[in-house]
Amino acid sequence: QVQLQESGPGLVKPSETLSLSCTVSGDSISSYYWSWIRQPPGKELEWIGYIYSSGNTNYKRSLKSRVTISMDMSKNQFSLNLTSVTAADSAVYYCARGWFGGFNVWGQGTTVTVSS
Amino acid sequence: QSALTQPPSVSGSPGQTVTISCSGTSDDVSAYYYVSWYRQNPGKAPKLIIHDVTKRPSGVPDRFSASKSGNRASLTISGLRAEDEGDYYCCSYAGTYTWIFGGGTKLTVL
Repeated sequence: QVQLQESGPGLVKPSETLSLSCTVSGDSISSYYWSWIRQPPGKELEWIGYIYSSGNTNYKRSLKSRVTISMDMSKNQFSLNLTSVTAADSAVYYCARGWFGGFNVWGQGTTVTVSS
Repeated sequence: QSALTQPPSVSGSPGQTVTISCSGTSDDVSAYYYVSWYRQNPGKAPKLIIHDVTKRPSGVPDRFSASKSGNRASLTISGLRAEDEGDYYCCSYAGTYTWIFGGGTKLTVL
C-alpha cells in the first residue's frame, strides 16, 4: 500500500523559504509523476509543480520563479522549496502521486502558515 | 491560467441524481483526454474518484460516472447517498506537464 507523508515546518516567516519533504513508502519514486498541490484555507486546490524520476520538472507558471522541486532517490523522497513567501502562500500542502490522467495517492497534507 | 469553472454548490435528495459540471478551455479540458475528479471531506486529503475522463478506480461505486464533451466535463452521481456529501474538484492536464484544478463544488445531500 503506497503512502505519502509530508514533513516540514508549520510556520515560516515572510520573505523566507518554505521547505517541505514528502516521504514515499510502498512504492519507488522511480516511476509515476510526483506533484505538490496546495489549498489555501477555504479555497480550491492549486497544482504547484511536478517531478519525474528522470529529474524533469515543471511548475505552475505563476509560481515558476519561486519554486524548486527535487528528489532524493536514496531516501525515496521528493521536496518542495518555495522562496520569498508571503501570507498568500499559507495553505495545506499536499504531495501526490499521479500521471496525466489523475492523482491517485495523496499525503494527508501539512499546514504551513506564513507569519512573523 | 484561471481555474476550471465549477458551480459553487449543488444539492439533491437521497436517491436522486446530480451532475457537476467543469468548464475549461481549448488548452486543457478540450485538448486532452485527461480529466480527473476528486471528493474532499472536511480536514481530509482529496480522494480520486474518476481518472482519464471516465474511469473509476477500484472501490469507487458505479454510481459515479463521468464524461467530457468539448471544453466541458461532467461528473454524475446517481442514487445519491448521505456519504456522498463533500467538496468535489475536477482537474485537467493542461499540456507541457502542467495540471489545473477547478474551483470546487460543494455537494449537499438534503
